[in-house]
Amino acid sequence: DAGVIQSPRHEVTEMGQEVTLRCKPISGHNSLFWYRQTMMRGLELLIYFNNNVPIDDSGMPEDRFSAKMPNASFSTLKIQPSEPRDSAVYFCASSPTGAYTEAFFGQGTRLTVV
Amino acid sequence: KNEVEQSPQNLTAQEGEFITINCSYSVGISALHWLQQHPGGGIVSLFMLSSGKKKHGRLIATINIQEKHSSLHITASHPRDSAVYICAVGGNQFYFGTGTSLTVIP
Repeated sequence: DAGVIQSPRHEVTEMGQEVTLRCKPISGHNSLFWYRQTMMRGLELLIYFNNNVPIDDSGMPEDRFSAKMPNASFSTLKIQPSEPRDSAVYFCASSPTGAYTEAFFGQGTRLTVV
Repeated sequence: KNEVEQSPQNLTAQEGEFITINCSYSVGISALHWLQQHPGGGIVSLFMLSSGKKKHGRLIATINIQEKHSSLHITASHPRDSAVYICAVGGNQFYFGTGTSLTVIP
């Protein structure tokens, strides 16, 4: 398996534009996580899906952020409209059976909003 | 107040030294994770613990649930161990430590 695949690896966009980040989890994994990492706040869990259903989205910062998982092999994190303070590295991770088993991380998407 | 505290924040060691990184937490948890983030930014999950001790190669992780404390040990450290090590705990929510930056000098 190629591991968790995220795209794009880098994204530069202008303030106000819509940004969509994509994630393909490891085949057979039931849980998927979106994280954000910044210098100021470190790593933060944004949302967690189990069997394609959002279980905990308490970390989603505001209504401009939305995440979907239409099937077991694909998830998106969308920011609309984007703001400079959204600049961060966004990681996707998947795990076999739940939040408390070992997770496998993608390489991350570095987002810069100018 | 941070729910997860790591120490030290920065650590420099000579190759071959035994290294310990500590993590204390203040919330009830179901599991504790140790993550490794390489200088290039990629994150690797090293261990998931809910009790006792786990060993993988030169890495050992222990957890004391009563004391709400975990340690990550690296034996015979090597320059390739240079990375940021992050402790994360999961219970009702997920909390992350701010990381320990380790540099191992040849």
